[in-house]
Amino acid sequence: GAVVSQHPSRVICKSGTSVKIECRSLDFQATTMFWYRQFPKQSLMLMATSNEGSKATYEQGVEKDKFLINHASLTLSTLTVTSAHPEDSSFYICSARPRASGLTGELFFGEGSRLTVL
Amino acid sequence: RKEVEQDPGPFNVPEGATVAFNCTYSNSASQSFFWYRQDCRKEPKLLMSVYSSGNEDGRFTAQLNRASQYISLLIRDSKLSDSATYLCVAPRRDNFNKFYFGSGTKLNVKP
Repeated sequence: GAVVSQHPSRVICKSGTSVKIECRSLDFQATTMFWYRQFPKQSLMLMATSNEGSKATYEQGVEKDKFLINHASLTLSTLTVTSAHPEDSSFYICSARPRASGLTGELFFGEGSRLTVL
Repeated sequence: RKEVEQDPGPFNVPEGATVAFNCTYSNSASQSFFWYRQDCRKEPKLLMSVYSSGNEDGRFTAQLNRASQYISLLIRDSKLSDSATYLCVAPRRDNFNKFYFGSGTKLNVKP
């Protein structure tokens, strides 16, 4: 199946610093990538949709100035958590769908990035 | 009502048992659904897609019941390696390109 790579898998940072997470589709092009957040024992919650060459669209309640998304190419999207605080500690997962699979094909997920803010 | 609801479990079953999970959804217009498997602290991985005709893959069978708006996942001859959380996924009302994820049903298969 398609491969989505996410980096770093684990990051620990001090409160107030910014953290960048990368999501790459390794063997397909993705005009759209999705960023999710998952707190312990909870479901994945969609944060934003990353659109190649245009602005990301954010879900209600997600601060766009805090979670900066850049989708500079068809294979790379980045999520930057700016001025991170302990409540931002979570499991961040990206996903993408190959363009060829259409809009209802399965989503492929990156390995996830576990962020711990001290 | 949540868009997608699942029994969180855990379902504790012995090896070799048959176990079934249901997932209810609220959007009657939804056409396709997915079951994902998520191991602890890992990313979700697709287990099966579910369309109107259902789907079977080895020990796993997924069904869709439109009248009652639920999908089911049946696992036969459970293995220890089946222990995981199973996520039900349905398209969103406002944008079928996006999905709702259920909170997951945890399965523990014991020797």
